[in-house]
Amino acid sequence: DAGVTQSPTHLIKTRGQQVTLRCSPKSGHDTVSWYQQALGQGPQFIFQYYEEEERQRGNFPDRFSGHQFPNYSSELNVNALLLGDSALYLCASSFVGRGRRGTEAFFGQGTRLTVV
Amino acid sequence: GNSVTQMEGPVTLSEEAFLTINCTYTATGYPSLFWYVQYPGEGLQLLLKATKADDKGSNKGFEATYRKETTSFHLEKGSVQVSDSAVYFCALTAGYSSASKIIFGSGTRLSIRP
Repeated sequence: DAGVTQSPTHLIKTRGQQVTLRCSPKSGHDTVSWYQQALGQGPQFIFQYYEEEERQRGNFPDRFSGHQFPNYSSELNVNALLLGDSALYLCASSFVGRGRRGTEAFFGQGTRLTVV
Repeated sequence: GNSVTQMEGPVTLSEEAFLTINCTYTATGYPSLFWYVQYPGEGLQLLLKATKADDKGSNKGFEATYRKETTSFHLEKGSVQVSDSAVYFCALTAGYSSASKIIFGSGTRLSIRP
């Protein structure tokens, strides 16, 4: 089992550009959540996808958007990048299913985004 | 709102010393509580968890007890090793599902001297 995989591992972008980060969930998982971890801080919840829909959203602007595909993989898109978007972006997957309490989240290694 | 407060680091200890990292929380309802660990250059790994009051989570010699009366979930280890050097995050989920969004503390960096 490959666990949660994220790509790319590192990325450098220029202010104003757009970026897409990718996540493949752990086998058997149907839910993907994205977190932003600024340097020296705890991760902050961005949003969660289940059944290809955004189910929960944290306090992030509309510049942050996402998508979940039928195979449960997910993308995080950030438009009009700001210097403050520089962070480690973590993807977490879990299994929710229908009418179940669900499993705890497993995290990927993250994508380190640097905006210059 | 829901939040987690943990002791600030860095914490530096000698090998075989006793470790305590304090964590308190604010939450409505009955949250599940977690400790995650992040080794240098890596993502987060779940260290231990507790889902109801008085539960004790344990793993790799680490322990934490869910104390509802003091809203605390302190992490302890009797004898730390150099390999325990990492950043530790206390966290909670407040929803019904364990897959609910996770609220993290700011992290405590732990360094162990040989």
